[in-house]
Amino acid sequence: EVQLVESGGGVAQPGGSRRLSCAASGFTFHSFAMIWVRQSPGGALQWVSAISGSGSRTDTADPVKGRFSISRDNSRSTLYLQMNNLTVADTAVYYCAKSPPSSSMVAIDNWGQGTLVIVSS
Amino acid sequence: NFMLAQPHSLSESPGKTVTISCTRSSDSISNNYVQWYQQRPGRAPTTIIFEDDQRLSGVPDRFSASIDSSSNSASLTISGLKTEDEADYYCQSYGNTNWVFGGGTRLTVL
Repeated sequence: EVQLVESGGGVAQPGGSRRLSCAASGFTFHSFAMIWVRQSPGGALQWVSAISGSGSRTDTADPVKGRFSISRDNSRSTLYLQMNNLTVADTAVYYCAKSPPSSSMVAIDNWGQGTLVIVSS
Repeated sequence: NFMLAQPHSLSESPGKTVTISCTRSSDSISNNYVQWYQQRPGRAPTTIIFEDDQRLSGVPDRFSASIDSSSNSASLTISGLKTEDEADYYCQSYGNTNWVFGGGTRLTVL
């Protein structure tokens, strides 16, 4: 069974940093692209970033480009999201997700439960 | 960049059939796969449909999806509605290294 468990959420100050982690199990981690999606309170889903199985390719949404960085450690089956220069608009639940093999980096088949990041002074 | 437009809300009775539309604003809907995600209140999203019309394993066949090039839209149809289908539904597609989610449709089953 695929399991994705996010951690690292909490309260951060504007201009601060936070690193999210996602521990994956139940599948061959290095074979699948991984995704971060966020959802602000009462809002719609918003794509944040994607990374290929090898880590050689990454795509990042314009609102967070230059501030957020996605990475992975295939030896630890763990996905990361480094978030710098945070603003109140980054307040959201952040979901880790896995791509299906046949539509790598363009779709999601499994989701984590999410971790809440609150940016507030 | 393109947008995906969904109705804000729909309401239907148990046992009935409902269709949720997702209209792409530019470029052909057929150029990139469309996915559908369900999010029950207070829960994480789950995937119902990927690659236009493929049900994820374990998803009941009451859920189906299709693409209509003439209207440049995708549709999710839920038949035999159950109260447990009450949720937010999001379509999602891709283009130019950018993902787009629709704004979501809140389905009420009463």
